[in-house]
Amino acid sequence: LAKTTQPISMDSYEGQEVNITCSHNNIATNDYITWYQQFPSQGPRFIIQGYKTKVTNEVASLFIPADRKSSTLSLPRVSLSDTAVYYCLVVSRGDSSYKLIFGSGTRLLVRP
Amino acid sequence: NAGVTQTPKFQVLKTGQSMTLQCAQDMNHNSMYWYRQDPGMGLRLIYYSASEGTTDKGEVPNGYNVSRLNKREFSLRLESAAPSQTSVYFCASSIQTGIYEQYFGPGTRLTVT
Repeated sequence: LAKTTQPISMDSYEGQEVNITCSHNNIATNDYITWYQQFPSQGPRFIIQGYKTKVTNEVASLFIPADRKSSTLSLPRVSLSDTAVYYCLVVSRGDSSYKLIFGSGTRLLVRP
Repeated sequence: NAGVTQTPKFQVLKTGQSMTLQCAQDMNHNSMYWYRQDPGMGLRLIYYSASEGTTDKGEVPNGYNVSRLNKREFSLRLESAAPSQTSVYFCASSIQTGIYEQYFGPGTRLTVT
């Protein structure tokens, strides 16, 4: 069962690129990696998902190396509104059930 | 289109009391989930329902029961609340279980004294 580890917090400045890494050493062949963003007093919101190599959408990129033991969420040119907690999620499918394991989250503070 | 709604938003219980948290979605999703989030921690899956009529345990099911009343509604029941169940509870839904994007409700903040 994949256990996820993330840095507790990160600081950045407006306009910079931010990379947040999630470690998932025990990831299985069929597991997927998803990232969510959460603002205070709100439910998490989907950002991006991937299986391997690189995925890009309009808000972020996700890099997954060949061994898939980690993944990196990349936020280009952050703004103050990107201040939030970011969670990685590993989704594992068993024979007849699923396991969804969230990381403990990385609190990103973007300064002016 | 309200997405995922949860009631109540806040609740205070005494130890031993029971209550049911309600969740509904209007996106015609097959799968629904209940999570708890403790301060400074990530979300932990309590139960999920892959489709109407089915439920499965997640990471922390003890002390909880669930009912998938129909395709729209998925309720979480605490039969005998304990202080350790003080948490924020989130309901979510997705088209199918697993790799599909989950849409979360606004959460229910529960305090057990």
